[in-house]
Amino acid sequence: DAKTTQPPSMDCAEGRAANLPCNHSTISGNEYVYWYRQIHSQGPQYIIHGLKNNETNEMASLIITEDRKSSTLILPHATLRDTAVYYCIVRVGGSGTYKYIFGTGTRLKVLA
Amino acid sequence: GAVVSQHPSWVICKSGTSVKIECRSLDFQATTMFWYRQFPKQSLMLMATSNEGSKATYEQGVEKDKFLINHASLTLSTLTVTSAHPEDSSFYICSAPGWARDEQFFGPGTRLTVL
Repeated sequence: DAKTTQPPSMDCAEGRAANLPCNHSTISGNEYVYWYRQIHSQGPQYIIHGLKNNETNEMASLIITEDRKSSTLILPHATLRDTAVYYCIVRVGGSGTYKYIFGTGTRLKVLA
Repeated sequence: GAVVSQHPSWVICKSGTSVKIECRSLDFQATTMFWYRQFPKQSLMLMATSNEGSKATYEQGVEKDKFLINHASLTLSTLTVTSAHPEDSSFYICSAPGWARDEQFFGPGTRLTVL
């Protein structure tokens, strides 16, 4: 069973920040939150992950609430190429034995 | 970054035949690989974990005799869909974990169509 809940779709204007929310209220203390995106008919692409602290890399920022029950992926300046399905994923299990539980994803459409 | 390939990228077969899909890690070794299935406009569903040198671990509801998994080497895992039927038509994706950032690297997927 999916451990994450996401809105099915969102629109964002090109050049604006895209904020994609995710609810993971049943997450356990040692389970990481991962974000991947999937462009049509391709394999998912890694974006970012975190456990407790906020994270930032060259692609995005991840904001995790203090109680860890939800998080937000931020694409600071969305482009048309960011149009994709974004998956918030909980990684269950320990190092070497983990697996990903995919949620239903958010279909982000970036508008020109 | 690490690259995972799949072969074939698409396959069309007749009902009742078996189809083999290969998943290769091109520039790294993977003792574990994962197989997912994705139906149109749906999310990825984990089917099984492929373990090099031992039996695969299947998720609940996935038929072991239907979806045969073999992890023969540190760079190759295969998924064989036996006696395929139209309801097995789907997008099959594999992945392998990397160690640097603790992420999974996904293959490009294989689209199976069973007539």
